[in-house]
Amino acid sequence: DAGVIQSPRHEVTEMGQEVTLRCKPISGHDYLFWYRQTMMRGLELLIYFNNNVPIDDSGMPEDRFSAKMPNASFSTLKIQPSEPRDSAVYFCASSLHGGRVWETQYFGPGTRLLVL
Amino acid sequence: GENVEQHPSTLSVQEGDSAVIKCTYSDSASNYFPWYKQELGKRPQLIIDIRSNVGEKKDQRIAVTLNKTAKHFSLHITETQPEDSAVYFCAASNTNAGKSTFGDGTTLTVKP
Repeated sequence: DAGVIQSPRHEVTEMGQEVTLRCKPISGHDYLFWYRQTMMRGLELLIYFNNNVPIDDSGMPEDRFSAKMPNASFSTLKIQPSEPRDSAVYFCASSLHGGRVWETQYFGPGTRLLVL
Repeated sequence: GENVEQHPSTLSVQEGDSAVIKCTYSDSASNYFPWYKQELGKRPQLIIDIRSNVGEKKDQRIAVTLNKTAKHFSLHITETQPEDSAVYFCAASNTNAGKSTFGDGTTLTVKP
C-alpha cells in the first residue's frame, strides 16, 4: 500500500481565497482524521470520520473550515475564505479500528499551507 | 474528554545517555497508548505502543511503561544516538471512542 496520500504537498495562497486539501486514506481503514500542526498550538485534531461519517468536529476552528468524506477512499478539508492565521501543516491520518489493530494512526506527508 | 499532559517540553542529552519522557492522562477509559516520533519536516510515525493490559513493553533501545492506577506512562530511550533527535508525541486512546488525544510533544536533542 502507498500509505496515506495527501495533495497538494505545498500550497501558497492569498488571504480570502478558497483552499481545498485532499486525502486518500489507506485502503480498508475505517477512520480518517484531519490534524493541524503549528509551533504555537502543536498537533490539533480538527475532525474525524468513521465509515465516512463525521463523528467529532469540535476541533474545527470556525465555520470557514469544512470537511467531507464522500466515499471510503477520499476526503477533503476546505477553508473558505482563508486567512493568514490558517497557515500551518495539515495532516491527514487513517486507522483501522478494532480487531488486532489498536488505533495505530498512519499519517500522510502533510500539506504545508501558507496564506499571505 | 481526555486530557494528556507531556513533560518535559524539551530535553537535551549527550549521546549514549538515556532519555525519559513522561505523560499523564485523565480518562480512565483510555486503553491504548502510542508514541510517535516526528523528525523535522516529516510526518509523525509510530515507534512503540502499549495496551492497558500490559505494564511494560520493550523494542531494542526503546521501552514504554504504563501505570494505570496513577494514569501515567513513560517513554525510555537508552543509548541515545544523534538520529534519535526529533519531536516525540505521546497519545491516549479509547478504542471505543475511536480517536487519540495527543500530548504537546517533547523536542529531544541528542548531542554528539
